[in-house]
Amino acid sequence: DSGVTQTPKHLITATGQRVTLRCSPRSGDLSVYWYQQSLDQGLQFLIQYYNGEERAKGNILERFSAQQFPDLHSELNLSSLELGDSALYFCASSLGSYNSPLHFGNGTRLTVT
Amino acid sequence: GDSVTQMEGPVTLSEEAFLTINCTYTATGYPSLFWYVQYPGEGLQLLLKATKADDKGSNKGFEATYRKETTSFHLEKGSVQVSDSAVYFCALSEERGGADGLTFGKGTHLIIQP
Repeated sequence: DSGVTQTPKHLITATGQRVTLRCSPRSGDLSVYWYQQSLDQGLQFLIQYYNGEERAKGNILERFSAQQFPDLHSELNLSSLELGDSALYFCASSLGSYNSPLHFGNGTRLTVT
Repeated sequence: GDSVTQMEGPVTLSEEAFLTINCTYTATGYPSLFWYVQYPGEGLQLLLKATKADDKGSNKGFEATYRKETTSFHLEKGSVQVSDSAVYFCALSEERGGADGLTFGKGTHLIIQP
């Protein structure tokens, strides 16, 4: 058990809709990361937050947004969903230094129909 | 920018065979290097790491040595088991003005047959 909790485990929704994915980091970790995993693109870094502030942005679409709340949990919002957004979305947390390992949740599988 | 290249699978081996999964990287500075493993239906788990040149990371019989001269971090295991079947990801992390997200390779699917 990594200590990182993601909800829900599965989401099925239609194109054009909006969903929110939730992540609770491991106790003591200040950094939260979001990754998208798909068969064709592999594991893509989306965004990182550290203690409530955005720290780094990766390949995150403008239709996607995220935030980290004062209690350090994070939410990833995906809007105007397209078929191509179907993927596994992982949250990870760490202490926040560059050589600290990341601890991953079990992911949210999003299916857009 | 940073990148990680690893052999693509699937790699199929018999139980007790010797395993090597190649990984090379491109980075501007002196990254930390990691191997993560993903079992079916689960998130990624840290397998081992090395933070400077010539460091050897090891865990559960797996080893990898940080080779700066060849920019490589190959994963090895002397005798694989069926339970080692999983997807293995090589990754690097550099400090970039406070940002520290990992850059992953595409993953290598390892299948161990009894």
